[in-house]
Amino acid sequence: DVKVTQSSRYLVKRTGEKVFLECVQDMDHENMFWYRQDPGLGLRLIYFSYDVKMKEKGDIPEGYSVSREKKERFSLILESASTNQTSMYLCASEGANQPQHFGDGTRLSIL
Amino acid sequence: AQSVTQLGSHVSVSEGALVLLRCNYSSSVPPYLFWYVQYPNQGLQLLLKYTSAATLVKGINGFEAEFKKSETSFHLTKPSAHMSDAAEYFCAVSDQQAGTALIFGKGTTLSVSS
Repeated sequence: DVKVTQSSRYLVKRTGEKVFLECVQDMDHENMFWYRQDPGLGLRLIYFSYDVKMKEKGDIPEGYSVSREKKERFSLILESASTNQTSMYLCASEGANQPQHFGDGTRLSIL
Repeated sequence: AQSVTQLGSHVSVSEGALVLLRCNYSSSVPPYLFWYVQYPNQGLQLLLKYTSAATLVKGINGFEAEFKKSETSFHLTKPSAHMSDAAEYFCAVSDQQAGTALIFGKGTTLSVSS
């Protein structure tokens, strides 16, 4: 079974802080994704990566960056956290011709 | 551009009743379609996917969905609801089976009463 592990289930940070959300997958998948989930809006793509050091912007990249130095790890970075980035963040990974597998999510609160 | 519309943000059924969650899509190319379920405080779990092999797709936990091109629909059904089916359900579309982001609907919360 594919396992996608997000480092924190709950996180509380202050405005202006630099925040790192970590995601690790154990299936040697090429593709990894970061989504943001808000009530009534569904999931929206922030960034995705199709290989080490490769990344593509999604629908809502503003205020975020990503890092993929190793194949199994995909990090989401909030450069200077703001209250409107309070949300649930979901990471997913995907192998060739396979559906996306999701982690359990990180519920992030920015105070 | 692709899009997904889930009709009804909340659906309530009684235990044992038919579950019907509606999903309509828009796509300029043959779509790949997915249904995911999210239980409280968890990530998304794949229920089923349509990849053009068969129009009626069977998934886990007794769910199935039928792809209807003429209606651009991919509704999710289950003949008899269980209390454990209470969750949020997301329909998603993609123009590839993998290698690209999914476009999600806004979700439908299913409540099941005894």
